[in-house]
Amino acid sequence: QKEVEQDPGPLSVPEGAIVSLNCTYSNSAFQYFMWYRQYSRKGPELLMYTYSSGNKEDGRFTAQVDKSSKYISLFIRDSQPSDSATYLCAMRFAGGTSYGKLTFGQGTILTVHP
Amino acid sequence: DAMVIQNPRYQVTQFGKPVTLSCSQTLNHNVMYWYQQKSSQAPKLLFHYYDKDFNNEADTPDNFQSRRPNTSFCFLDIRSPGLGDAAMYLCATMISPGVTDTQYFGPGTRLTVL
Repeated sequence: QKEVEQDPGPLSVPEGAIVSLNCTYSNSAFQYFMWYRQYSRKGPELLMYTYSSGNKEDGRFTAQVDKSSKYISLFIRDSQPSDSATYLCAMRFAGGTSYGKLTFGQGTILTVHP
Repeated sequence: DAMVIQNPRYQVTQFGKPVTLSCSQTLNHNVMYWYQQKSSQAPKLLFHYYDKDFNNEADTPDNFQSRRPNTSFCFLDIRSPGLGDAAMYLCATMISPGVTDTQYFGPGTRLTVL
């Protein structure tokens, strides 16, 4: 079983749709949760960063963390063609010897068509 | 703009021919990471430097080595590339301790092994 499971998609939605992306994880010690966006042939770019459980909103993006269910989500409102990319969830422990090591999901390929 | 730079962006090498990938950063971050990302897979941490301290992941093959001559530069050396080493190699940096412990990624180097 992978530590972090993410549906690879691909996911195709019309412009303006609400997109829901999800990851589940198995290790309850993860404390920091992130969503990265990766355009084709580019490096990942941090979108959202959340510590422990709760919601965080930034413009059209909302990140949710439910530690009791080991489940995190990213919602994109009013999706745009420019949102077309691969979305990677990532998480890490607090402290430890592999400081800052991120464990990534496989990534979900999202296409928003006009 | 402060950034993480990787050179070259595309590298082609022959089976067994050593190759070196380069990462530089203008962020003055003290932590630098190397990830391997194979097609449609999650990035996988190979190793990282916390200041001058090198931290190797347990499952990183001996074929992969790294050097960090100063704060700004970090190199990934693949001593004898195999076909299975073809991947995108991502460099990331972070400042620690920091407010958010966010990792900033470079654009990656895509390695092809013939």
